[in-house]
Amino acid sequence: GESVGLHLPTLSVQEGDNSIINCAYSNSASDYFIWYKQESGKGPQFIIDIRSNMDKRQGQRVTVLLNKTVKHLSLQIAATQPGDSAVYFCADSPNTGNQFYFGTGTSLTVIP
Amino acid sequence: NAGVTQTPKFRILKIGQSMTLQCTQDMNHNYMYWYRQDPGMGLKLIYYSVGAGITDKGEVPNGYNVSRSTTEDFPLRLELAAPSQTSVYFCAGLKAGYTGELFFGEGSRLTVL
Repeated sequence: GESVGLHLPTLSVQEGDNSIINCAYSNSASDYFIWYKQESGKGPQFIIDIRSNMDKRQGQRVTVLLNKTVKHLSLQIAATQPGDSAVYFCADSPNTGNQFYFGTGTSLTVIP
Repeated sequence: NAGVTQTPKFRILKIGQSMTLQCTQDMNHNYMYWYRQDPGMGLKLIYYSVGAGITDKGEVPNGYNVSRSTTEDFPLRLELAAPSQTSVYFCAGLKAGYTGELFFGEGSRLTVL
Protein backbone atom coordinates (compact mmCIF):
# COMPACT_ATOMS: atom_id res chain seq x y z
CA GLY A 1 0.00 0.00 0.00
CA GLU A 2 0.87 3.62 -0.02
CA SER A 3 2.86 5.36 2.67
CA VAL A 4 1.77 8.91 3.17
CA GLY A 5 2.76 10.42 6.47
CA LEU A 6 2.92 13.73 8.24
CA HIS A 7 5.83 15.16 10.17
CA LEU A 8 3.88 16.57 13.11
CA PRO A 9 0.66 15.21 14.62
CA THR A 10 -0.38 18.53 16.26
CA LEU A 11 0.14 22.18 15.49
CA SER A 12 -0.95 25.25 17.44
CA VAL A 13 -0.86 28.71 15.90
CA GLN A 14 -1.97 32.14 16.93
CA GLU A 15 -4.94 33.60 15.11
CA GLY A 16 -3.72 35.72 12.23
CA ASP A 17 -0.43 33.87 11.85
CA ASN A 18 0.40 31.63 8.91
CA SER A 19 0.25 27.85 9.32
CA ILE A 20 2.42 25.30 7.58
CA ILE A 21 1.45 21.64 7.58
CA ASN A 22 3.90 19.14 6.15
CA CYS A 23 3.51 15.76 4.51
CA ALA A 24 5.92 13.14 3.20
CA TYR A 25 5.14 10.43 0.70
CA SER A 26 7.16 7.44 -0.39
CA ASN A 27 5.66 6.22 -3.64
CA SER A 28 7.55 7.58 -6.63
CA ALA A 29 4.57 6.65 -8.79
CA SER A 30 2.36 9.16 -6.98
CA ASP A 31 1.50 11.89 -9.42
CA TYR A 32 -1.43 13.62 -7.82
CA PHE A 33 -1.77 15.03 -4.32
CA ILE A 34 -4.69 16.41 -2.40
CA TRP A 35 -5.22 18.16 0.92
CA TYR A 36 -8.36 17.57 2.95
CA LYS A 37 -9.75 19.24 6.05
CA GLN A 38 -11.76 17.27 8.58
CA GLU A 39 -13.78 19.02 11.24
CA SER A 40 -14.85 17.15 14.32
CA GLY A 41 -17.59 14.62 13.64
CA LYS A 42 -17.62 15.21 9.89
CA GLY A 43 -16.22 13.67 6.77
CA PRO A 44 -13.10 15.17 5.14
CA GLN A 45 -13.56 18.08 2.76
CA PHE A 46 -11.40 18.86 -0.25
CA ILE A 47 -9.16 21.91 0.09
CA ILE A 48 -6.72 21.96 -2.79
CA ASP A 49 -4.87 19.61 -5.11
CA ILE A 50 -1.67 19.59 -7.14
CA ARG A 51 -0.33 17.44 -9.92
CA SER A 52 3.24 16.26 -10.10
CA ASN A 53 4.03 18.51 -13.07
CA MET A 54 3.60 21.52 -10.78
CA ASP A 55 5.53 22.64 -7.72
CA LYS A 56 3.11 25.23 -6.39
CA ARG A 57 -0.59 25.92 -6.49
CA GLN A 58 -2.56 28.63 -4.77
CA GLY A 59 -6.15 28.81 -3.65
CA GLN A 60 -8.06 31.10 -1.39
CA ARG A 61 -5.73 31.66 1.61
CA VAL A 62 -4.07 28.29 0.94
CA THR A 63 -0.97 27.31 -0.98
CA VAL A 64 0.33 23.82 -1.64
CA LEU A 65 4.00 23.27 -2.38
CA LEU A 66 5.34 20.06 -3.86
CA ASN A 67 8.97 18.98 -3.79
CA LYS A 68 9.26 15.79 -5.79
CA THR A 69 12.99 15.50 -5.18
CA VAL A 70 12.48 14.80 -1.49
CA LYS A 71 8.89 13.53 -1.83
CA HIS A 72 7.45 16.25 0.34
CA LEU A 73 4.45 18.53 0.15
CA SER A 74 3.17 21.24 2.42
CA LEU A 75 -0.02 23.18 2.96
CA GLN A 76 0.29 26.80 3.88
CA ILE A 77 -2.69 28.62 5.36
CA ALA A 78 -2.44 32.38 5.41
CA ALA A 79 -3.89 34.48 8.23
CA THR A 80 -5.14 31.45 10.12
CA GLN A 81 -8.63 31.81 11.59
CA PRO A 82 -10.42 29.92 14.38
CA GLY A 83 -12.53 28.21 11.71
CA ASP A 84 -9.35 26.64 10.38
CA SER A 85 -9.06 24.48 13.50
CA ALA A 86 -9.41 20.91 12.22
CA VAL A 87 -7.42 17.85 11.24
CA TYR A 88 -5.65 18.17 7.90
CA PHE A 89 -4.81 15.18 5.73
CA CYS A 90 -2.69 14.84 2.68
CA ALA A 91 -3.58 12.13 0.21
CA ASP A 92 -1.86 10.84 -2.87
CA SER A 93 -2.86 8.91 -5.92
CA PRO A 94 -0.57 6.74 -8.03
CA ASN A 95 -0.68 6.86 -11.77
CA THR A 96 -3.63 4.48 -11.89
CA GLY A 97 -5.73 7.45 -10.86
CA ASN A 98 -8.49 5.48 -9.14
CA GLN A 99 -7.15 5.07 -5.63
CA PHE A 100 -6.43 7.70 -2.99
CA TYR A 101 -4.26 7.04 0.05
CA PHE A 102 -4.39 9.21 3.12
CA GLY A 103 -1.76 10.15 5.66
CA THR A 104 -2.22 10.13 9.44
CA GLY A 105 -3.30 13.76 9.75
CA THR A 106 -2.20 16.89 11.59
CA SER A 107 -4.47 18.48 14.16
CA LEU A 108 -4.39 22.25 13.81
CA THR A 109 -5.52 24.38 16.75
CA VAL A 110 -5.91 28.11 16.29
CA ILE A 111 -5.45 30.13 19.47
CA PRO A 112 -7.62 33.28 19.58
CA ASN B 1 -29.06 17.04 -3.89
CA ALA B 2 -28.50 15.05 -0.71
CA GLY B 3 -24.90 14.25 -1.71
CA VAL B 4 -23.44 11.11 -0.16
CA THR B 5 -25.69 9.57 2.48
CA GLN B 6 -24.61 6.91 4.94
CA THR B 7 -26.77 4.85 7.28
CA PRO B 8 -26.74 4.06 10.10
CA LYS B 9 -24.79 6.83 11.82
CA PHE B 10 -24.12 4.72 14.89
CA ARG B 11 -24.27 1.00 15.55
CA ILE B 12 -23.13 -1.38 18.25
CA LEU B 13 -22.51 -4.98 17.25
CA LYS B 14 -21.64 -8.08 19.19
CA ILE B 15 -18.67 -10.17 18.13
CA GLY B 16 -19.68 -12.51 15.34
CA GLN B 17 -22.69 -10.51 14.19
CA SER B 18 -23.03 -9.26 10.65
CA MET B 19 -24.32 -6.00 9.26
CA THR B 20 -24.41 -3.81 6.20
CA LEU B 21 -23.45 -0.16 6.09
CA GLN B 22 -25.46 1.62 3.44
CA CYS B 23 -24.12 4.33 1.16
CA THR B 24 -26.07 6.08 -1.55
CA GLN B 25 -25.23 9.11 -3.67
CA ASP B 26 -27.20 11.34 -6.01
CA MET B 27 -24.25 13.20 -7.54
CA ASN B 28 -23.70 10.88 -10.54
CA HIS B 29 -20.39 9.72 -9.13
CA ASN B 30 -18.76 7.02 -11.23
CA TYR B 31 -16.31 6.08 -8.51
CA MET B 32 -17.20 5.20 -4.97
CA TYR B 33 -15.02 4.34 -1.98
CA TRP B 34 -15.18 2.95 1.51
CA TYR B 35 -12.64 4.09 4.08
CA ARG B 36 -12.24 3.35 7.75
CA GLN B 37 -10.78 5.78 10.25
CA ASP B 38 -9.46 4.55 13.57
CA PRO B 39 -9.11 7.06 16.45
CA GLY B 40 -6.33 9.57 15.85
CA MET B 41 -5.46 7.96 12.55
CA GLY B 42 -5.83 8.62 8.88
CA LEU B 43 -8.24 6.95 6.51
CA LYS B 44 -7.54 3.49 5.19
CA LEU B 45 -9.08 2.39 1.89
CA ILE B 46 -11.19 -0.76 2.25
CA TYR B 47 -12.81 -1.18 -1.16
CA TYR B 48 -13.58 0.96 -4.15
CA SER B 49 -15.66 0.78 -7.30
CA VAL B 50 -15.17 2.45 -10.68
CA GLY B 51 -18.68 1.69 -11.87
CA ALA B 52 -21.70 -0.54 -11.49
CA GLY B 53 -20.68 -4.18 -11.33
CA ILE B 54 -16.99 -3.39 -10.74
CA THR B 55 -15.32 -3.48 -7.33
CA ASP B 56 -11.74 -3.79 -6.18
CA LYS B 57 -9.81 -4.20 -2.95
CA GLY B 58 -8.04 -1.38 -1.22
CA GLU B 59 -5.48 -1.47 1.60
CA VAL B 60 -7.54 -3.26 4.26
CA PRO B 61 -10.27 -5.42 2.64
CA ASN B 62 -10.18 -8.42 4.99
CA GLY B 63 -13.44 -8.97 6.85
CA TYR B 64 -15.47 -6.84 4.44
CA ASN B 65 -17.40 -7.25 1.23
CA VAL B 66 -18.98 -4.78 -1.15
CA SER B 67 -21.28 -4.76 -4.12
CA ARG B 68 -22.19 -2.14 -6.72
CA SER B 69 -25.36 -3.22 -8.46
CA THR B 70 -26.34 0.37 -9.26
CA THR B 71 -24.39 3.58 -9.78
CA GLU B 72 -26.05 5.16 -6.76
CA ASP B 73 -25.51 2.49 -4.09
CA PHE B 74 -22.35 1.01 -2.63
CA PRO B 75 -23.09 -1.04 0.52
CA LEU B 76 -20.33 -2.37 2.76
CA ARG B 77 -20.94 -5.74 4.37
CA LEU B 78 -19.25 -6.86 7.59
CA GLU B 79 -19.35 -10.59 8.18
CA LEU B 80 -18.48 -12.01 11.60
CA ALA B 81 -17.75 -8.67 13.25
CA ALA B 82 -14.57 -8.45 15.33
CA PRO B 83 -13.42 -5.80 17.86
CA SER B 84 -10.70 -4.78 15.37
CA GLN B 85 -13.49 -3.50 13.12
CA THR B 86 -14.50 -0.88 15.66
CA SER B 87 -13.99 2.30 13.67
CA VAL B 88 -15.65 5.16 11.85
CA TYR B 89 -16.52 4.25 8.29
CA PHE B 90 -16.70 6.82 5.52
CA CYS B 91 -18.18 6.40 2.10
CA ALA B 92 -17.06 8.75 -0.65
CA GLY B 93 -17.83 9.41 -4.29
CA LEU B 94 -15.94 10.91 -7.20
CA LYS B 95 -16.77 11.82 -10.77
CA ALA B 96 -14.47 10.17 -13.30
CA GLY B 97 -12.22 12.59 -15.11
CA TYR B 98 -12.51 15.23 -12.45
CA THR B 99 -10.06 16.18 -9.76
CA GLY B 100 -9.51 14.12 -6.62
CA GLU B 101 -12.33 15.94 -4.91
CA LEU B 102 -13.84 13.06 -3.05
CA PHE B 103 -17.23 13.85 -1.57
CA PHE B 104 -17.57 12.14 1.78
CA GLY B 105 -20.58 11.11 3.75
CA GLU B 106 -20.94 12.02 7.41
CA GLY B 107 -19.59 8.68 8.58
CA SER B 108 -20.91 5.61 10.38
CA ARG B 109 -19.51 4.92 13.83
CA LEU B 110 -19.36 1.20 14.51
CA THR B 111 -18.48 -0.40 17.83
CA VAL B 112 -17.95 -4.15 18.14
CA LEU B 113 -18.15 -5.52 21.69
